[in-house]
Amino acid sequence: GAGVSQSPSNKVTEKGKDVELRCDPISGHTALYWYRQSLGQGLEFLIYFQGNSAPDKSGLPSDRFSAERTGGSVSTLTIQRTQQEDSAVYLCASRLERGGRNEQFFGPGTRLTVL
Amino acid sequence: GNSVTQMEGPVTLSEEAFLTINCTYTATGYPSLFWYVQYPGEGLQLLLKATKADDKGSNKGFEATYRKETTSFHLEKGSVQVSDSAVYFCALNNYGQNFVFGPGTRLSVLP
Repeated sequence: GAGVSQSPSNKVTEKGKDVELRCDPISGHTALYWYRQSLGQGLEFLIYFQGNSAPDKSGLPSDRFSAERTGGSVSTLTIQRTQQEDSAVYLCASRLERGGRNEQFFGPGTRLTVL
Repeated sequence: GNSVTQMEGPVTLSEEAFLTINCTYTATGYPSLFWYVQYPGEGLQLLLKATKADDKGSNKGFEATYRKETTSFHLEKGSVQVSDSAVYFCALNNYGQNFVFGPGTRLSVLP
């Protein structure tokens, strides 16, 4: 497909377990962003990538959160030792380039539930 | 820093009513401005955008004009439909920086 895809679409896990969320951006998009959307809330910026590097990790809530991007394409967001407050929808977006006037394209999100 | 403020929701309207969702921003320079929409159970999708002052973005009957003098980008639609029920996010991007999103405004349109 031509859009941003994310997997899994839903993830239920137990408190204390690790989870990995995957994002496949639009082919050729150099910038990739992760956001978190808690129930009824706005978007909370987590991290963005330009190519494989992450110049801005300021939004990551704690050191339990990490992300990587390989080959300038797929990105993985990892949450270690999950807590109930991590429950949210995690959204990924890609953009043709960091500069310029173009928009972000969002994936459908991964709904994470921590029991 | 950059910030976006939106009117608080929820906004409830009857079908065919006129819609305005206010959005104001704070930014240096000349940011690009966007409205994204999130339909129930779906991801965010771009509704419209404007990249310079006095530009008007439009799509699906929605319009917003980039007003630099009032730092606003209010979303309007002349006649809403039930299918317009969604959450609307105003956002800005300052060239080379991250996107900043408003908190979102939930719109419910009743038949």
